[in-house]
Amino acid sequence: GAVVSQHPSWVICKSGTSVKIECRSLDFQATTMFWYRQFPKQSLMLMATSNEGSKATYEQGVEKDKFLINHASLTLSTLTVTSAHPEDSSFYICSAIQHLTGEQYFGPGTRLTVT
Amino acid sequence: EDKVVQSPLSLVVHEGDTVTLNCSYEVTNFRSLLWYKQEKKAPTFLFMLTSSGIEKKSGRLSSILDKKELFSILNITATQTGDSAVYLCAVGCNNNDMRFGAGTRLTVKP
Repeated sequence: GAVVSQHPSWVICKSGTSVKIECRSLDFQATTMFWYRQFPKQSLMLMATSNEGSKATYEQGVEKDKFLINHASLTLSTLTVTSAHPEDSSFYICSAIQHLTGEQYFGPGTRLTVT
Repeated sequence: EDKVVQSPLSLVVHEGDTVTLNCSYEVTNFRSLLWYKQEKKAPTFLFMLTSSGIEKKSGRLSSILDKKELFSILNITATQTGDSAVYLCAVGCNNNDMRFGAGTRLTVKP
């Protein structure tokens, strides 16, 4: 079955530093990938839609200069949290749309802790 | 390595059918299991399960957890076309770590 991986699984960084999270579709091409963030009470918020070869589309309220998204190939999208602050600590999940079937698959998530 | 496996990956049924979605897990320091429904912008939270054998119910949806056998099921009875979505299972751990399954795509045909 289709698999989406995220790397790293968890990361701890200091305030002010930047951290990059990778999302890969391992056995299919994904022209579209989504990035989500988990908030209290288990709710997940869509941050942005990442399309291969073009600029990401950010949801209202998400700072594009802080959460840099790059979708450089059909199998890889990256989310870089720049100048991280403790309030950025969260669980970030990506999903990928399989190009041929349109089906959506989720990655296992990345836990970011900013100290 | 912690993992969450959902099955089937894809399922097509007709309106009125009953479906059972499966989620099995292998994690350390299990805390809770969550089910989400992904339709539009972001997955919608459905259930959180922490205790074995206690069914949680919301309308036509119900879910139960078996902590001994390390799995959970999500049942949907009398399915409707509006139930078509990707259903996600996630497992939370005591260290605040979480792992999501790949999801099950349910298609309900009229």
